Amino acid sequence: LAKTTQPISMDSYEGQEVNITCSHNNIATNDYITWYQQFPSQGPRFIIQGYKTKVTNEVASLFIPADRKSSTLSLPRVSLSDTAVYYCLVGLTGGGNKLTFGTGTQLKVEL
Amino acid sequence: ETGVTQTPRHLVMGMTNKKSLKCEQHLGHNAMYWYKQSAKKPLELMFVYSLEERVENNSVPSRFSPECPNSSHLFLHLHTLQPEDSALYLCASSQDPSGGASTGELFFGEGSRLTVL
Repeated sequence: LAKTTQPISMDSYEGQEVNITCSHNNIATNDYITWYQQFPSQGPRFIIQGYKTKVTNEVASLFIPADRKSSTLSLPRVSLSDTAVYYCLVGLTGGGNKLTFGTGTQLKVEL
Repeated sequence: ETGVTQTPRHLVMGMTNKKSLKCEQHLGHNAMYWYKQSAKKPLELMFVYSLEERVENNSVPSRFSPECPNSSHLFLHLHTLQPEDSALYLCASSQDPSGGASTGELFFGEGSRLTVL
């Protein structure tokens, strides 16, 4: 199982771009990189997923270098409501595979 | 609304009680999961059901007993729990190819907050 390492916490201000980097040095060839967001007392929510290069959706971008040993979640122009824990996961779901969550990154956005 | 509903949202029980947590998914998925989230700890995967068969039991004590009667419902039966079992229990579902791994997104419920006295 690929282990992930993320910063424990980050602080930002409204309107800024936030980049959260995740290291996953032993990522396997078939593994995908997925990011989830979790608010207190709620279940995590899918943000974005990618395999290589860059993926963008309406809420975030995901940058993955060629060696795939790390990835960066980019949140453009954050707001107070983006204050949450962000998890980087590496692997696949289903078929008995374990998709494990690490400690995540607590993002705090202030005015 | 994620399409995954968990009940009850809050539960307080004594160590000798027997209770059950229920999860229902309205997404037509074929895999369901139980996770445990204790205070200031990562989510811990407890059980995985794929096509109604248990495919993962992550060394969970026998006082936790899962049941998956069909692809839409998942239960977690609780008995003789300990105070350290107090946590947020999260159910999730995903759509996966038959018997194989996939990039399927996990859809989580809002969780059941369990307190064991």
